[in-house]
Amino acid sequence: AQKVTQAQTEISVVEKEDVTLDCVYETRDTTYYLFWYKQPPSGELVFLIRRNSFDEQNEISGRYSWNFQKSTSSFNFTITASQVVDSAVYFCALSATDTGRRALTFGSGTRLQVQP
Amino acid sequence: DVKVTQSSRYLVKRTGEKVFLECVQDMDHENMFWYRQDPGLGLRLIYFSYDVKMKEKGDIPEGYSVSREKKERFSLILESASTNQTSMYLCASSLLVRDEQYFGPGTRLTVT
Repeated sequence: AQKVTQAQTEISVVEKEDVTLDCVYETRDTTYYLFWYKQPPSGELVFLIRRNSFDEQNEISGRYSWNFQKSTSSFNFTITASQVVDSAVYFCALSATDTGRRALTFGSGTRLQVQP
Repeated sequence: DVKVTQSSRYLVKRTGEKVFLECVQDMDHENMFWYRQDPGLGLRLIYFSYDVKMKEKGDIPEGYSVSREKKERFSLILESASTNQTSMYLCASSLLVRDEQYFGPGTRLTVT
């Protein structure tokens, strides 16, 4: 079965703090893809990153970084020096085919509030 | 830039009405998806289509149907709207199933 768990429902930080959003996934596939999306208050989901299961290198893009660890089935997302504009709901998602499913499985999302 | 548009941002319908939600993408993507988003539940897949006239049920297809007569357009139909279908509906498209999906702005549907 495929499953994505985002245990943190809501996180509140003060601007300039670092924050890590957790994502744990389950799949029997050996080839799969992981994603992060951002949903700002306007509502439209914005794609942030895709990672395939064979690439465990961490990725950094500006203030954003992602830590993929197959050993713990986790794909965590860190925002360094958070800003008010980072306030959004963040979704982790999995694309795998072990159950025959061909669409993404999303986690329930983590709402991040960055206070000024 | 990929653009996915949805016919309405906000919609209010009465119980029992037939409701059409339309989605159009302009990137010649093979795959299109309809999700519903409810607080605490994340995004749940209703239906997806991998080609014109081809569709596959998602996690929660009951009470919904879909139509894809042209590659760029994917419609979600609520045959007889009910109050428990009050939700945010999101459309998405992707070139390949494993690619990132591009989302529309969403339609917030209220059924009274």
